[in-house]
Amino acid sequence: NAGVTQTPKFRILKIGQSMTLQCTQDMNHNYMYWYRQDPGMGLKLIYYSVGAGITDKGEVPNGYNVSRSTTEDFPLRLELAAPSQTSVYFCASSFRPGANVLTFGAGSRLTVL
Amino acid sequence: AQKVTQAQTEISVVEKEDVTLDCVYETRDTTYYLFWYKQPPSGELVFLIRRNSFDEQNEISGRYSWNFQKSTSSFNFTITASQVVDSAVYFCALSESLYNQGGKLIFGQGTELSVKP
Repeated sequence: NAGVTQTPKFRILKIGQSMTLQCTQDMNHNYMYWYRQDPGMGLKLIYYSVGAGITDKGEVPNGYNVSRSTTEDFPLRLELAAPSQTSVYFCASSFRPGANVLTFGAGSRLTVL
Repeated sequence: AQKVTQAQTEISVVEKEDVTLDCVYETRDTTYYLFWYKQPPSGELVFLIRRNSFDEQNEISGRYSWNFQKSTSSFNFTITASQVVDSAVYFCALSESLYNQGGKLIFGQGTELSVKP
């Protein structure tokens, strides 16, 4: 099992460009999450999904969009990239909410110049 | 609202010293889960422990131990006889069990531990 796979691992964007961070899990988990990690700030939740077709905003959703057309995939779209979106992004999944340990991807480091 | 506070931003110790990382949380729920994760310099997030709100027993795993006290809303983590390989950022996190919350993890800001030889 691959677990949670994120691509790309690194990306440099210019201000105003758009891109999609891909996240795929092969554990048949219904719950999926996108977090961003800024230095000294911990991890902040961007968006989450409780199943295919259902998404909801987290703590810092502005500037991002998500979709969940399948159980396996939960892509994060950045529209009109800004320097404030320079961060490390983590995708995670779990079988059920609350008690279950989240399985994290390896992270995607994004720099917006 | 949920909140997790790790007041220690950075801690530096010399190898073989004991070190305690503090975690204080806030929640309105009676049922919740607390976690500790380790993030080594390589960047991945490594799960260390989960504790539910009904289990206040302390836990020991090798050199690691955790002290959960509901009365003070704290879930502290102690490393005994620290080693250089313990150098990492450690995150405390809180999750409520309500299904309509989506099981989101709320993270503290992390404590960067540096263990010097």
